[in-house]
Amino acid sequence: DADVTQTPRNRITKTGKRIMLECSQTKGHDRMYWYRQDPGLGLRLIYYSFDVKDINKGEISDGYSVSRQAQAKFSLSLESAIPNQTALYFCATSDPGQGDWPQHFGDGTRLSIL
Amino acid sequence: DAKTTQPPSMDCAEGRAANLPCNHSTISGNEYVYWYRQIHSQGPQYIIHGLKNNETNEMASLIITEDRKSSTLILPHATLRDTAVYYCIAADQTGANNLFFGTGTRLTVIP
Repeated sequence: DADVTQTPRNRITKTGKRIMLECSQTKGHDRMYWYRQDPGLGLRLIYYSFDVKDINKGEISDGYSVSRQAQAKFSLSLESAIPNQTALYFCATSDPGQGDWPQHFGDGTRLSIL
Repeated sequence: DAKTTQPPSMDCAEGRAANLPCNHSTISGNEYVYWYRQIHSQGPQYIIHGLKNNETNEMASLIITEDRKSSTLILPHATLRDTAVYYCIAADQTGANNLFFGTGTRLTVIP
């Protein structure tokens, strides 16, 4: 979905480094989410936010933190990256208040930690 | 949210209808059935969702059994571009924040 933009698209980094993945959206949605996907598996929820002042942990939040800087921006940080955080990361948005229940996903960030 | 069960893989001939089944026997009354698909490693794409009535849009049709314990996604005329992993998810609308994707069904459309 071109309305949900993730940067960078690909990143290779070393163990112990701090990494930030960015997500921005032009849909005007209140809700934003971060997921990770490991090879051959489905998506797992890391964090989600219902508005700028709201942050909630998902299924696998350990080792991650997030910041909702504005309605349109939701960033995911790995404070000290480790190899098992190598995965494909997706950001998504939704807005039930606008009647837009389904989540709309970005094209993902492929993160490799050496 | 209710768990769903899908076959791991299916094939379909190009131009034929693809019927993808999903079991959600523990679905609760306020949970919708959502379908997404993921083409290669792109972001999941929303297809359709429904509560108890059958639904149709420009992409697909969703048939939900009367007891709501199972559903079928129908792609009426499959094309090669429909080759993807299809996820069936049961979630209530307030809990649409926590979609459990599982491993889905890998649909391969064969020329």
